[in-house]
Amino acid sequence: QSVLTQPPSVSGAPGQRVTISCTGTSSNIGADYDVHWYEQLPGTAPKLLIYGNTNRPSGVPDRFSGSKSGTSASLAITGLQAEDEGDYYCQSYDSSLNGYVFGPGTKVTVL
Amino acid sequence: EVELVQSGGGLVQPGGSLRLSCAASGFNFRFYWMSWVRQAPGKGLEWVANIKEDGSEKYYVDSVKGRFTISRDNAENSLYLQMNSLRVDDTATYYCARDKASMYYMDVWGKGTTVTVS
Repeated sequence: QSVLTQPPSVSGAPGQRVTISCTGTSSNIGADYDVHWYEQLPGTAPKLLIYGNTNRPSGVPDRFSGSKSGTSASLAITGLQAEDEGDYYCQSYDSSLNGYVFGPGTKVTVL
Repeated sequence: EVELVQSGGGLVQPGGSLRLSCAASGFNFRFYWMSWVRQAPGKGLEWVANIKEDGSEKYYVDSVKGRFTISRDNAENSLYLQMNSLRVDDTATYYCARDKASMYYMDVWGKGTTVTVS
């Protein structure tokens, strides 16, 4: 099982807002390590979506936003679009494992 | 354009070996940490290993320690993953990624190469 916890799936109608939570522990998110988010559309490689908890790389729409508080973080997608369907992963660093850790991924479905 | 082009995947028997390669272009390879991340069929992402800019530091997930070796050739702008003593549970798509180690994330990913151990 993954060190970070995410809901298996979330869904919403086009135009709606959905959020994905990512919960860690005192050796990763709670130890003040940043949380990063990746989008993986069907059949493609992961793509960086949010880095450093809240920052969007160039080219990522501002419909995507991130936040972090305590041992948890969240990714919000506003104005949900059909092309947002895919898997979303949170990632951080774990000082006990001395390595990068991922959440299990959340499947976003646009109804 | 920043790009990572991967090669070297394939089918191998349990206990066998395979070497993955990742050719970087469009950025100054020698100034970046690099990582390997894998994804078993139908499963999530798992970080495998990373290597410092000059190759002097290497880190691995516990499940591959002693079996996998990450290396790089800065003159050739290339990253490698030597995989020995392969097991069925090493079956996955392997991605190379540019590693922003100062903040512990990966900002550029290759398209992936498939390794099947059977």
